[in-house]
Amino acid sequence: QVQLQESGPGLVKPSETLSLTCTVSGGSVSSGNYYWNWIRQPPGKGLEWIGYIYYSGSANYNPSFKSRVTISVDTSKNQFSLRLSSVTAADTAVYYCASGGSTGYDNYHMDVWGKGTTVTVSS
Amino acid sequence: DIVMTQSPDSLAVSLGERATISCTSSQSILYSSNNKNYLAWYQQKPGQPPKLLIYWASTRESGVPDRFSGSGSGAVFTLTISSLQAEDVAVYYCQQYFSTAYTFGQGTKLEIK
Repeated sequence: QVQLQESGPGLVKPSETLSLTCTVSGGSVSSGNYYWNWIRQPPGKGLEWIGYIYYSGSANYNPSFKSRVTISVDTSKNQFSLRLSSVTAADTAVYYCASGGSTGYDNYHMDVWGKGTTVTVSS
Repeated sequence: DIVMTQSPDSLAVSLGERATISCTSSQSILYSSNNKNYLAWYQQKPGQPPKLLIYWASTRESGVPDRFSGSGSGAVFTLTISSLQAEDVAVYYCQQYFSTAYTFGQGTKLEIK
């Protein structure tokens, strides 16, 4: 059973870049049978999908973030990562990584989630 | 983007009674080639990540109690809890994975009356 664990700084200054990593255990980020997502949840609010990546490095992003976001995969470390640039207080949120099954051209529901990590944007 | 709208925003139901949450998508999320609705339901308790309950609109995830059921097709969907238990207090979200800009409903907070 795949397990996911987010890690990264809990505090980021405005205008800087938020960087988070999701470590995959019990499975391989190199598997073509999965896709790997980032989702966030501002305090007291709902869920917002940020983007996903395949093992090949091909990624797809929420247009709301497209100019600021990069998701990458590191198969040697069995990890995938999120970078969000030019952050503001509005980017303060719990950030989750999640995985779902994929055929490579058809993605399924996200069935495994990490516990989440809180990121605060403040000077 | 496909907009997902849930109703109600909050709901209070007595223990043992039925709870029903609706979710409407701004366009059909039924894929004609495989006749599947690309809709999932999640349960989120305070301080926890979302937990998958239902996928393909009506398939219960392994380990989810059978009092949870999903129904609907096209653009109108329902999550039903047949007999509310205390541990079902949570926020429930629907999510479409039909369009690659995945979107969630705003959430429905379920409480005990």
